[in-house]
Amino acid sequence: GESVGLHLPTLSVQEGDNSIINCAYSNSASDYFIWYKQESGKGPQFIIDIRSNMDKRQGQRVTVLLNKTVKHLSLQIAATQPGDSAVYFCAETPPGGYNKLIFGAGTRLAVHP
Amino acid sequence: DAGITQSPRHKVTETGTPVTLRCHQTENHRYMYWYRQDPGHGLRLIHYSYGVKDTDKGEVSDGYSVSRSKTEDFLLTLESATSSQTSVYFCAASGSAGETQYFGPGTRLLVL
Repeated sequence: GESVGLHLPTLSVQEGDNSIINCAYSNSASDYFIWYKQESGKGPQFIIDIRSNMDKRQGQRVTVLLNKTVKHLSLQIAATQPGDSAVYFCAETPPGGYNKLIFGAGTRLAVHP
Repeated sequence: DAGITQSPRHKVTETGTPVTLRCHQTENHRYMYWYRQDPGHGLRLIHYSYGVKDTDKGEVSDGYSVSRSKTEDFLLTLESATSSQTSVYFCAASGSAGETQYFGPGTRLLVL
């Protein structure tokens, strides 16, 4: 079936460095992608989204890049802070399936002082 | 948290007993969802609702039923709990099918 996966299960970075979290998706027709952040004991929190007609979208300290050629999604966090430590999930919406987000397994980001 | 609460937050039950989890939202979202989260699987959709009394199955619906009698409440029922249903359950809501889903804080369920 369709799935969303992640290349790195754990990412450790130094405070102040930039972080890049990667995600591969399998359905080339998926047209909506979301990054969520989940802190321990809490529900997923929306970070940023991007539609398939875009290659890049920027938020506050975060940037999402979409490479449809290789079906790759990445989340870049600038000047990573200890508060960024969490598990990050990418999710995709297959065509016609806006009700059904498909999540990857998640990447844990650990920020060290 | 987009005004989404879940109850109970923690529950321990025995195999074979019925369990109902409640999701309540205050933003008048039309769509509501139930997910389960297990290590190595991320979040998987159990059921969703696209309006009062309108529900549909998700990826892992076996053993679960849902009901939505009013916009703000979405109930998830395990008719006869099994140990494989031990998980963390998240409710989400969105204004429409194409909008971002916002999640509640989760319910941790342990079936002994």
